[in-house]
Amino acid sequence: ETGVTQTPRHLVMGMTNKKSLKCEQHLGHNAMYWYKQSAKKPLELMFVYNFKEQTENNSVPSRFSPECPNSSHLFLHLHTLQPEDSALYLCASSQHFWTGELFFGEGSRLTVL
Amino acid sequence: GENVEQHPSTLSVQEGDSAVIKCTYSDSASNYFPWYKQELGKGPQLIIDIRSNVGEKKDQRIAVTLNKTAKHFSLHITETQPEDSAVYFCAAGRPQGGSEKLVFGKGTKLTVNP
Repeated sequence: ETGVTQTPRHLVMGMTNKKSLKCEQHLGHNAMYWYKQSAKKPLELMFVYNFKEQTENNSVPSRFSPECPNSSHLFLHLHTLQPEDSALYLCASSQHFWTGELFFGEGSRLTVL
Repeated sequence: GENVEQHPSTLSVQEGDSAVIKCTYSDSASNYFPWYKQELGKGPQLIIDIRSNVGEKKDQRIAVTLNKTAKHFSLHITETQPEDSAVYFCAAGRPQGGSEKLVFGKGTKLTVNP
């Protein structure tokens, strides 16, 4: 039990599909993050939420749409994705906004056909 | 903004040997330098971190050194074991509850051969 749970672990979708990734943290943290992990690239920060308010959108295309209904849950809605969006999407949380340790989930492996 | 370079990208050692991974950063204002370990099929996990007011920190077989003048920091793993095999990421930033996010290196895949 990592404290940060992501579902689904694997997702295959076509370019015209609409799907969502879910993240839940059981740590009582106030900040949550979406990262994209591609081979041979640094972890790319996508979105940051602090007390369920979005504080950062790191120039992410609009085909990725985040949602944070409360401090414990974070979603990433996906629509009309491209094959180059195939990657591991990692959710993380921290006690406070950009302070101290990031706790990562195990990720959702996305394949776009 | 901050830029972090990490070397080597792959590292293979024999069990019992030491492993060293090096990172350089560009923003002299960065003051927090964590290292994360990512095992296959798992998310990254913090293994050790150092802040700019110290030059070295140890935790059992793991140590991190920081040279602020040269803007580089290193991870040292002694007496390596097969379970140390993973991808290791360094990061740099100024996480003081503000907007200074962590910037990660590209990672080093460490393989410890039995």
